[in-house]
Formats: sequence, C-alpha cells, structure tokens
Amino acid sequence: KQEVTQIPAALSVPEGENLVLNCSFTDSAIYNLQWFRQDPGKGLTSLLLIQSSQREQTSGRLNASLDKSSGRSTLYIAASQPGDSATYLCAVRDDRGSTLGRLYFGRGTQLTVWP
Amino acid sequence: EAQVTQNPRYLITVTGKKLTVTCSQNMNHEYMSWYRQDPGLGLRQIYYSMNVEVTDKGDVPEGYKVSRKEKRNFPLILESPSPNQTSLYFCASSYLYHPYGYTFGSGTRLTVV
Repeated sequence: KQEVTQIPAALSVPEGENLVLNCSFTDSAIYNLQWFRQDPGKGLTSLLLIQSSQREQTSGRLNASLDKSSGRSTLYIAASQPGDSATYLCAVRDDRGSTLGRLYFGRGTQLTVWP
Repeated sequence: EAQVTQNPRYLITVTGKKLTVTCSQNMNHEYMSWYRQDPGLGLRQIYYSMNVEVTDKGDVPEGYKVSRKEKRNFPLILESPSPNQTSLYFCASSYLYHPYGYTFGSGTRLTVV
C-alpha cells in the first residue's frame, strides 16, 4: 500500500524567505502527484499537478519537482508571504489496475509565515 | 464553472438519526470519492466509485454507505451516526484516464452529539 510522508510537519519562517516542503512516497507506480493548499477548516485548493512523466511544474512563486524513481517531490515557495500560511498537502495518485485513480495523502506541512 | 458541490456545509445531528450528505459534480468525471479528515490522522478514504453502479470500500468504510446511480452524484449515507463520526468530510472527483487532477468539494463539517 502506498505510504506518503511529508517533512517537516510544521514550519515557521519570516516573510521573504524561500522555503522547501518535502514529500516522499513508497511506491513509484504513480499516475501523478498533486500539491494542495488547505486553510484551517476549509477545503483543498489544488496548487500544482505533476504527471509521472514530468520533472517539474511551476505556477507563480511555486515550483514543484518530482523524482519518481526515488519517490520524492518537493514544493518550493519563493519569497514567502503571510498569506502563504496554510497546510500544504501532497497526494499521489495510484497507477495500478486494482486501485486506479486512488489518491493517497500525506499528513501535511503546516506553514506559518510571520511578518 | 467546473465544481464539486457538497451539501450541507455544516450539520449537527443526534446519535442514531440517519443522514445523507450529498455530492454532485458537473465535469463528467468517472471517479468519485469520499474522505474524512481528523486532527492528527489526515485525510482517510471512506468509499470510492470508479463509475456508475461501481463502488468500493476505502480505508474507513464502517458506519457509512454510498450509492452511484448517476454519474454526477455520489451521496454519503450515515444510517446510524455515532459521535466518532464527527469529522470534516470531503467529496472529490476526477477523470480515470485523463491526465488531470482531482477536484474537491468545500467540505461538510459534521457534529454528532
């Protein structure tokens, strides 16, 4: 069964810092990997989607990379802002016939950016 | 607008009173799924459906039922809710064979007293 781990569990940084969130997964047979943002008590907002054949995706100040063979992804946030404070979730989508489409989540990294 | 719509957003109910949380998507997605989110436990899958009339258990299906009679709808049924089902619930949908990601509903916060 796929296991997804996110490190660190929590991160507190001053505004303006560049930071990296890490995600690792145990089974490389993935269809794609998706990074989400979740504000307290709210829904999940999709940030970036990386297909299994891709190495990275960028959106504004966010850059996500994928190393499928080693089971790792990173989310890079440039010039962090207080509005970036949220929980960031990594999810991998299964590529096996019996569980095709299933999404496995990490526990998230809770990010606080202080002014 | 492409979206997954859940209702209600908030619900307080009493133990044993049957309830249904509705989920509807307008993207013609084959795959739909229910998750619950609890502090310290993350998101756990309850049930999923790969197409109409095809449903299967996720990791925590006890106490829940689902049905998929139409492609767009995937209701979650709690026949006899108990306090340990107090949680934040999310419905999600996706294509099965296209390279797109998942879309999540806004969530339903359920409290069972």
